[in-house]
Amino acid sequence: KAGVTQTPRYLIKTRGQQVTLSCSPISGHRSVSWYQQTPGQGLQFLFEYFSETQRNKGNFPGRFSGRQFSNSRSEMNVSTLELGDSALYLCASSSIYEQYFGPGTRLTVT
Amino acid sequence: GENVEQHPSTLSVQEGDSAVIKCTYSDSASNYFPWYKQELGKRPQLIIDIRSNVGEKKDQRIAVTLNKTAKHFSLHITETQPEDSAVYFCAARRGDFTGGGNKLTFGTGTQLKVEL
Repeated sequence: KAGVTQTPRYLIKTRGQQVTLSCSPISGHRSVSWYQQTPGQGLQFLFEYFSETQRNKGNFPGRFSGRQFSNSRSEMNVSTLELGDSALYLCASSSIYEQYFGPGTRLTVT
Repeated sequence: GENVEQHPSTLSVQEGDSAVIKCTYSDSASNYFPWYKQELGKRPQLIIDIRSNVGEKKDQRIAVTLNKTAKHFSLHITETQPEDSAVYFCAARRGDFTGGGNKLTFGTGTQLKVEL
C-alpha cells in the first residue's frame, strides 16, 4: 500500500496570508489527524476527521480549520498567518489503533 | 485533558548498551500507548505500541512496558546501534477509536545518541 502523502512539502508565506495543505491517507483509512510540530512545543494535536466529520479538536484558534472529502483526503487551512505558525505540519492516517504519519509540510511565515 | 511527561530529554549511551525512556500519563482512561522514532528531517515512524490490557510487548531489540496502576510506560532498547540515534516520542490515547477517541497526546521527546 502507498503511504501517507502530503502536498506541498515546503511553503513560504507572508504574514496575513492564508494557506491550504493537503493530505492523502493510506488506502482504506478513514481517519486523518493533523499535528503541528515545533521545536518549542513539540507535537501538538490540531484536529481529526473521520468520514468527513471533525471528530476531535485540539486547542488551536479558529484560524486553523480543516475538512475531509468523501475519498478520505483531507485539507487543513490556516488563515491570517502569523509568524508563530511557522512549523512542520504533519498529517496522520489511522486504522483502529496505529497512526502513520506523512512526510509533513514545512511552512515558513515571513 | 491528558498530559504526558517524558524523561529524559536527552540520553547518551555507548554502542551495545541499553537505553530506557520513561513516560507518565495523567488520564486513567488512556488505553493505547505508541512510541515513535523521528530521525532528523524525517517523519515520526511508529516503532512499537502497547494496549492497556497488556503489560509488556517485545519486538526484537525493542520492548515497551506498561504499569497502569502507576500510569507510566517505558521504552527499552537493547544492544543499541548508531542507527538508533534519533528523537523518540511517547504518546497516549484516551478512549476507543469507534467511540470517537483518536487523539494522541505526545510527550516532549527524548534525543537518543548512541556513541561508538
